[in-house]
This record gives sequence, structure tokens and C-alpha cells, in this order.
Amino acid sequence: EDQVTQSPEALRLQEGESSSLNCSYTVSGLRGLFWYRQDPGKGPEFLFTLYSAGEEKEKERLKATLTKKESFLHITAPKPEDSATYLCAVQAAGTYKYIFGTGTRLKVLA
Amino acid sequence: GAGVSQSPSNKVTEKGKDVELRCDPISGHTALYWYRQSLGQGLEFLIYFQGNSAPDKSGLPSDRFSAERTGGSVSTLTIQRTQQEDSAVYLCASSTLAGGKETQYFGPGTRLLVL
Repeated sequence: EDQVTQSPEALRLQEGESSSLNCSYTVSGLRGLFWYRQDPGKGPEFLFTLYSAGEEKEKERLKATLTKKESFLHITAPKPEDSATYLCAVQAAGTYKYIFGTGTRLKVLA
Repeated sequence: GAGVSQSPSNKVTEKGKDVELRCDPISGHTALYWYRQSLGQGLEFLIYFQGNSAPDKSGLPSDRFSAERTGGSVSTLTIQRTQQEDSAVYLCASSTLAGGKETQYFGPGTRLLVL
């Protein structure tokens, strides 16, 4: 069964304290792995898509990496405005369905 | 350009009433998804529309739920005889394929509360 597990469930960081969020997945052939940011009361906002192991994508203070079993979202020198829930999702090969994890709630303290 | 819009943004209804939730996708996007997000839960797939193909309704939790997409654009999710467990945020997303790669764009959601 296709499955996505995110850890930790919640994370509190001091401003400037770098860390990583984990997304472990089990899928019958990966078509893509997706990261989203969700602010309270809003819909998820697309961040990255990764397609194959070894691939990396960067955007400002965020960097996403992918292996055959998991993906990491690295946050370098975070700022309070990076506080949000970060969602991971996978899409299996040959399908269009997205399987979402439950997210990591990130709080960055000034 | 305009993103995905959903209406209403909030809906409070009484148990047993029917509700309709609307989604306006990004113009030109052929695929449209409905999801349900309950507190502390991941996004739960409900239904998928792609162009003129028959929709995939495999995620609809019961026959009280239905959805349609008119003219390949606007979609309506209908919940009949609402129950308290239907309370959740209902999210719509649209997407298009470019070079075999798909990106979903989400609307702001409709927050449904069933009393």
C-alpha cells in the first residue's frame, strides 16, 4: 500500500537554527514527490517536485533532496516567516492520485 | 493570473441539510481534484476529473457525496444529508501537464461545519 510518513509532527526552532524535515514513503514506482507549504486557513502552496533519487531542488532557504525511500526538506537559517505546516505527497507511476502525509508544523521563534 | 478560487470560504449548516461547494480552477487546466482535510489528518483524495474522461470517484466516502464538472471548468461538490463527521476543510486543486510533469495549484478551501 502506498504510504507517506512525515516526521517530526511538530518542530520549534530559534531564528537562524537550521534543521531538516523528513518524508518517508512507500510507493509502487515513484512518479514524483512533492513538497507544499500550508499557512493557517489557506490551501497548500506548491514548493518543489522531485522525480528521481539524487535530485535536489532549492528555493531561498529551502532545499529538498530525494532518495529511494525518503525525502528531506532542509531549512537553512530559518526566519519567523518560514513558520507553516510543510506537506509531502507522492504520486505513483501510472496514476494521478496524490498520497499526502500529515505534515510537519514548523514554528520559528524570533 | 487568477488562481484557483473556492466558494463559500466558510459554511455552517445543520445536520441533515444539503450543501454545495464550488471550485473555479485556473483557466486552461484540464485536471481538477477535490480533497478533504480534517484536523490532524493528511489530505484525503475524494474525486478527480481529467478533461472529458469519466471522473475517478473512488475516494468519495459515501453515496451522500457527489461532484460534477461542467464544461471542463467549474466543479461543484455536493454533500447530501450532512453529518457532523463531514465537518472539515474541502480543498480543490487544478493542474496541467507540461512535458509530462504535473503541478497542482490549490484553492483556499471551504471550511464546512456541520452542527
